[in-house]
Amino acid sequence: EVQLVESGGGLVQPGRSLKLSCAASGFTFSNYYMAWVRQAPKKGLEWVATISTSGSRTYYPDSVKGRFTISRDNAKSSLYLQMNSLKSEDTATYYCARLYSYVMDAWGQGASVTVSS
Amino acid sequence: DIQMTQSPSFLSASVGDRVTINCKASQNINKYLDWYQQKLGEAPKLLIYNTNSLHTGIPSRFSGSGSGTDFTLTISSLQPEDVATYFCLQHNSGYTFGAGTKLELK
Repeated sequence: EVQLVESGGGLVQPGRSLKLSCAASGFTFSNYYMAWVRQAPKKGLEWVATISTSGSRTYYPDSVKGRFTISRDNAKSSLYLQMNSLKSEDTATYYCARLYSYVMDAWGQGASVTVSS
Repeated sequence: DIQMTQSPSFLSASVGDRVTINCKASQNINKYLDWYQQKLGEAPKLLIYNTNSLHTGIPSRFSGSGSGTDFTLTISSLQPEDVATYFCLQHNSGYTFGAGTKLELK
């Protein structure tokens, strides 16, 4: 069974940093592109980042480019999201998702991030 | 950037009803439109990918149609367990989600 388990969420002050992790199991992690998606409270979903199988290629929307960094460790079947210079508008539940031919076909349960002083 | 306009925002229907939800893209996205179901407190679950392909394990009462800029999710006979919020997602160029349709039982 495919499982994605996020961790590392919490309360952080504006301007500070936080790193999320996603532990994958039930599939060959190194064969799949992976992504992060977020959902602000009572709002819609927003794509945050994508990473290639090797980690050599990464993609971001303008809203987080330069502040967020996606990375992976295939030996540990783990995905990461380093978030710097956090703003209140980054408050959201962050999901990791597996990509199959660009389709987000499996999602984790999410990690909650609150940016507040 | 591609914008996705989803309608309606809210839908109330009875068990057994045929339900349709629409998404309109701001430009041609070919067939690259997916549908997700999100129940309260849960992660989104893939229902339909690439317009009309049913994901593994999804009941056949769910179907998708459309092309280019206009797409539809249809539930042929609404069941109580279908109460959820439904999102569309385009992956033709980057990723853009629709705002969601909250489906409730009448």
